[in-house]
Amino acid sequence: DSGVTQTPKHLITATGQRVTLRCSPRSGDLSVYWYQQSLDQGLQFLIQYYNGEERAKGNILERFSAQQFPDLHSELNLSSLELGDSALYFCASSGSGRAGANVLTFGAGSRLTVL
Amino acid sequence: EDQVTQSPEALRLQEGESSSLNCSYTVSGLRGLFWYRQDPGKGPEFLFTLYSAGEEKEKERLKATLTKKESFLHITAPKPEDSATYLCAADSNSGYALNFGKGTSLLVTP
Repeated sequence: DSGVTQTPKHLITATGQRVTLRCSPRSGDLSVYWYQQSLDQGLQFLIQYYNGEERAKGNILERFSAQQFPDLHSELNLSSLELGDSALYFCASSGSGRAGANVLTFGAGSRLTVL
Repeated sequence: EDQVTQSPEALRLQEGESSSLNCSYTVSGLRGLFWYRQDPGKGPEFLFTLYSAGEEKEKERLKATLTKKESFLHITAPKPEDSATYLCAADSNSGYALNFGKGTSLLVTP
C-alpha cells in the first residue's frame, strides 16, 4: 500500500456520460498530480494541485477538470466521455510543489472503460 | 519540447541473462532523471533518482547510470520477479511535472 488511495478501482460507463475519480494523497503530502495512461501514449501528465491551488497543467482536455479540497483530497471530473477516454487514471502525491524535488508516490489507479 | 524515449519497447530475457534498458532524453535543463517500476494493474513504484552525469545508483540486481543524453538501467542476473514495465521520467526546468517515457516491458522467464 503506497498510502495514496484512489476510488473507484474500475468504472464502466457510456459515451456522453460524466464521471468523478477521487484521490486521497499520502499523509502529509500537499501536492496531487493526475496522470492518464493509455497503451499507445504512456503516462501523460494532466494537472497538478498544491495545497488547494492549481500549480501546473499538462495535456488536459477542456472536458476534464479537477480540484483539490481543504482536506487535500482531489477529484478529477471527466465529462462528455468519448471512447478514446478509456484509460488508466493515476493520482500521485508528493510533499513538494515541484515534482522533481520529491519522489512521486502513485496510487493503484482507476481504470475507466467507456462503451 | 521535452522528450523522453525508452528502448526497447519490450524485452524478453532468460533468468540470469543480464541486459540494459535505455532512456534517452531531450529536455531543457535536466534537474533529475527518475526510474520507476510498474507491475500489471498497479501504479508506478519509485526505484532511483539520478541528478548529474556520471552518477550511478544500485538496488539489488538493478543499477541505474546517467550520461548527458541518456540513462541506462542495467539488470544483472535477472529473476522472474523482475518482470515488470520500467519507466523513466525527466524533471526539467520547463515544468513542474515529471515527463515519462512509454516504458520498457520486461519479461524474465525461468
